[in-house]
Amino acid sequence: GQQLNQSPQSMFIQEGEDVSMNCTSSSIFNTWLWYKQDPGEGPVLLIALYKAGELTSNGRLTAQFGITRKDSFLNISASIPSDVGIYFCAGQRSGNQFYFGTGTSLTVIP
Amino acid sequence: DAGITQSPRHKVTETGTPVTLRCHQTENHRYMYWYRQDPGHGLRLIHYSYGVKDTDKGEVSDGYSVSRSKTEDFLLTLESATSSQTSVYFCAIGGSTWGNTIYFGEGSWLTVV
Repeated sequence: GQQLNQSPQSMFIQEGEDVSMNCTSSSIFNTWLWYKQDPGEGPVLLIALYKAGELTSNGRLTAQFGITRKDSFLNISASIPSDVGIYFCAGQRSGNQFYFGTGTSLTVIP
Repeated sequence: DAGITQSPRHKVTETGTPVTLRCHQTENHRYMYWYRQDPGHGLRLIHYSYGVKDTDKGEVSDGYSVSRSKTEDFLLTLESATSSQTSVYFCAIGGSTWGNTIYFGEGSWLTVV
């Protein structure tokens, strides 16, 4: 299957710190998506990216579509306790199949 | 919310029994997906559908079948459940006709004992 390498696997940060995570692939993608999943719930879409180099923000979240189209980055500024969860990247190539990374678990220490 | 309902939300079943999970959408969307989520593997695609009676396999389709007789319903069947199919199953809708994004249901927790 399609492999998306997401890093780091887990992060423990102090409240107020900024967070960076990334997703890389050996294949080119046309769309990159970032999701957040809370315990016991389904993933929720945070940001969608459609163009190489695109930088998109959603509140304190900023994501970028890598120039090579093989990677994407998510930054969270000034983290707060409700940012806790698992963050997933997803990529879409041609067709309508979406491939997911293995997730970054974020813990925010008050 | 994307108008996706999964049922049952939780189920415990015995090895060798058939199990059907249902996904119902109210968005009249063409594309529907079934994923499974396991620790260390993220979300992996089992099957997807691109219309009534039109389905295709994903990367982990062995042991699973699907059916879509109506636009709003996508069923996932485990013909003979095994312990390796203990997982959380997520239905999703979306695709290229919806901004190239997909939206997930709340999940179905399946335990095979």
